[in-house]
Amino acid sequence: LAKTTQPISMDSYEGQEVNITCSHNNIATNDYITWYQQFPSQGPRFIIQGYKTKVTNEVASLFIPADRKSSTLSLPRVSLSDTAVYYCLVGDLSGGYNKLIFGAGTRLAVHP
Amino acid sequence: ETGVTQTPRHLVMGMTNKKSLKCEQHLGHNAMYWYKQSAKKPLELMFVYSLEERVENNSVPSRFSPECPNSSHLFLHLHTLQPEDSALYLCASSQGRMAQTRTGELFFGEGSRLTVL
Repeated sequence: LAKTTQPISMDSYEGQEVNITCSHNNIATNDYITWYQQFPSQGPRFIIQGYKTKVTNEVASLFIPADRKSSTLSLPRVSLSDTAVYYCLVGDLSGGYNKLIFGAGTRLAVHP
Repeated sequence: ETGVTQTPRHLVMGMTNKKSLKCEQHLGHNAMYWYKQSAKKPLELMFVYSLEERVENNSVPSRFSPECPNSSHLFLHLHTLQPEDSALYLCASSQGRMAQTRTGELFFGEGSRLTVL
């Protein structure tokens, strides 16, 4: 399983764009990159997943450079409710179940 | 509402008690998981069941005993726990083989907050 490195914490203000970068230097050919969001006392929730280039959905964008050794989660115009822990996970999900390991994540605090 | 329901949401037990946590998923998934989340620690994967067969057991003490009677239900039986076992226990499920999109997405329940006195 590829090891990931992401900042421990970040601060932002309402209305700003937030970019959280994750490093995964030993990513393998079959690995996908997945981001989850977790609020206190709740289970993590899937945000976005990608393999290469750019992926966008209704809540975020995921930028993946050609070498795939890093990825950036972009949250446009954050609000106070985006305060949460964000996890970057990298691994091959083609098997019968998910073996991905959650790291410490990035604790995002959005201020008024 | 994620489609994964955990009960009870809160549990307080003594070290000599026996209790069980229950998880039920209504998503038609065939893999189910137990995670433990202690204060200010990353989620720890405890057990994985795929097609009702245990496929992962990450060095979890025997005082935690999982049971998966069918693909929709998962239990975690607890006995003679220690205070350091106090944590949020999260259940999750996922589709087995890849779907067209969202490969291996985990759907989590809201967790059972366990306090061991």
